[in-house]
Amino acid sequence: KQEVTQIPAALSVPEGENLVLNCSFTDSAIYNLQWFRQDPGKGLTSLLLIQSSQREQTSGRLNASLDKSSGRSTLYIAASQPGDSATYLCAVLLMDSNYQLIWGAGTKLIIKP
Amino acid sequence: DGGITQSPKYLFRKEGQNVTLSCEQNLNHDAMYWYRQDPGQGLRLIYYSQIVNDFQKGDIAEGYSVSREKKESFPLTVTSAQKNPTAFYLCASNLGGYGYTFGSGTRLTVV
Repeated sequence: KQEVTQIPAALSVPEGENLVLNCSFTDSAIYNLQWFRQDPGKGLTSLLLIQSSQREQTSGRLNASLDKSSGRSTLYIAASQPGDSATYLCAVLLMDSNYQLIWGAGTKLIIKP
Repeated sequence: DGGITQSPKYLFRKEGQNVTLSCEQNLNHDAMYWYRQDPGQGLRLIYYSQIVNDFQKGDIAEGYSVSREKKESFPLTVTSAQKNPTAFYLCASNLGGYGYTFGSGTRLTVV
């Protein structure tokens, strides 16, 4: 059974630092991997989607990488800002899964001014 | 603008009461999903529907029911059989595995 793990569960860093969030999964037979952001009490916003054939995707200060063979993805945030404070979730879409996502529990990120 | 509308934002349920959470989308997406989110846990799938008049149980369907009479609408009923319904409920839709869109959520509390 596919399991998705995000470490650490929480992270607090000063403003301006570059940081990396980690996501690992146990089954490499994935269709894609997605990173989402969730603000407190809100829904989820899609940040980046990496297809299984891709190695990375970039959007502004965000860069997500995917290494299927090792079952890992990282979300790199450059020059962090207080507005980046949120919970970041990763999810994998399994092949032949009726497009169901398997979710990690998230990393709660706090950027201190 | 296209998106998903969930209502109400907050909902309070008395013991033994059924309540219905609304989810409407204008994205023309075929697939719609209901997730439950509890603190410190990943999202768990309750029900999903890939086409009108058809839906499948997710991992935690017990105590919940859904309908899909229209492409745009996928309401979730939390029945009295759900013994621990206090949670944050999220509705989502997508088009063939791409571009998941989420609603803003409904927070359900038992009083």
